[in-house]
Amino acid sequence: DIQMTQSPSTLSASVGDRVTITCRASQGVDKWLAWYQQKPLKAPKVLISEASNLENGVPSRFSGGGSGTEFTLTINSLQPDDFATYYCQQYDTYPLTFGQGTRLEIK
Amino acid sequence: EVQLVESGGGLVQPGGSLRLSCVVSGFTFNNYVMLWVRQAPGKGLEWVSSIIASGETTYYTDSVKGRFTVSRDNSKNTLYLQMDSLRVEDTAQYYCANSDCGDWYCRRIVHWGQGTLVTVSS
Repeated sequence: DIQMTQSPSTLSASVGDRVTITCRASQGVDKWLAWYQQKPLKAPKVLISEASNLENGVPSRFSGGGSGTEFTLTINSLQPDDFATYYCQQYDTYPLTFGQGTRLEIK
Repeated sequence: EVQLVESGGGLVQPGGSLRLSCVVSGFTFNNYVMLWVRQAPGKGLEWVSSIIASGETTYYTDSVKGRFTVSRDNSKNTLYLQMDSLRVEDTAQYYCANSDCGDWYCRRIVHWGQGTLVTVSS
């Protein structure tokens, strides 16, 4: 199974900050990597697929990068609505696997 | 508007069974791979199972193989998850989701339902 490791597990930031979350795969997944945002008691929301493609309706302050085994999610100019938990997920191979999540909290 | 609505969750004793359903609307159900993903309370996301558009091929995470069965009724726009021999560690919110195409290579998740809670406890 491909293991996905996110860092950091928790990130404290302020409105207006720029933050980056890293996701590492235990083996190469090409570009088949998605990022999700989840708020408490809500279903995950797809932000980015194919490592860098922004989903329709997702604000342009979100961006994704990387390929192979190293990926990043960057949020520019944090907004109050962005404080949530973020997950990466590889969909190159079954079993599909997720990172453990990064909780983005207000400093 | 795409909608995925899960139902069938509840409280069940260890060793018991439940059948989850997911009714979809807003897209042509029989063209897309469907998935189940779960999330234990306070924990991360875990993929459970997938089924291709025709229903002919299914995939499972190791921990549920032989206990869970995914199926679909394309005439009813409904996805199912039959869960037998339930364990305490199966306690989770179960989400259904759809992919962006219908064949074995389609693994990208596009939309999620709101989930249904399964609690396995004595």
